[in-house]
Amino acid sequence: QSALTQPASVSGSPGQSISISCTGTSGDVGDYNYVSWYQQHPGKAPKLIIYDVTTRPSGVSNRFSGSRSGNTASLTISGLQTEDEADYYCSSYSASTPLGVFGTGTTVSVL
Amino acid sequence: EVQLLESGGGLVQPGGSLRLSCTVSGFTFSNYWMTWVRQAPGKGLEWVANIKPDGRETNYVDSGKGRFTISRDNAKNSLYLQMNNLGVEDTAVYYCARDLDAFYDFWRAKPGDWGRGTLVTVSS
Repeated sequence: QSALTQPASVSGSPGQSISISCTGTSGDVGDYNYVSWYQQHPGKAPKLIIYDVTTRPSGVSNRFSGSRSGNTASLTISGLQTEDEADYYCSSYSASTPLGVFGTGTTVSVL
Repeated sequence: EVQLLESGGGLVQPGGSLRLSCTVSGFTFSNYWMTWVRQAPGKGLEWVANIKPDGRETNYVDSGKGRFTISRDNAKNSLYLQMNNLGVEDTAVYYCARDLDAFYDFWRAKPGDWGRGTLVTVSS
């Protein structure tokens, strides 16, 4: 049950755009459209912000967008705001584990 | 409004047991896959277990096999996690969460709604 690989931290200035990568394998991220992204503020529960690679749930800001190239999914935050400071996790369906896999997590800092 | 409320966490000695509960409202519980996810202090998210809407399929993290049992009572809108022979490595906040969509025959690893979590501390 290996985790998906994410950078430990990403930072940007207000108004900039940043991207977070999530690298898996052909048995998860690369082959299935069940890639999701979660935002977690300190002491809070995770919140779903992207599912099925590119889809935003109702109520989530359109500054968040998802994409995928090969075995790597990406989350882009445009027009970075201070409230975007949080931890971000990707997850994916996995053919080899019935639970799925999470990413290692990325801390976003707004400088 | 969808709500999930965990309970049952607390301090337990190594080797002890706990039963976590998750009471839900605002949706038809019996139509959804449910899952438990945990987060150790300062660490990332980890899938713990999931259960099919009818309770006939369950899956566990390798470290929980033989020690954890996930179950549900659809009549009571409740999800459970029985944890036995707990170790310090099980110390974490435990979240219950439901699948984003209803009526799926398989788990797609995309929970859409989460509870606030309950803290389990294993320590002597």
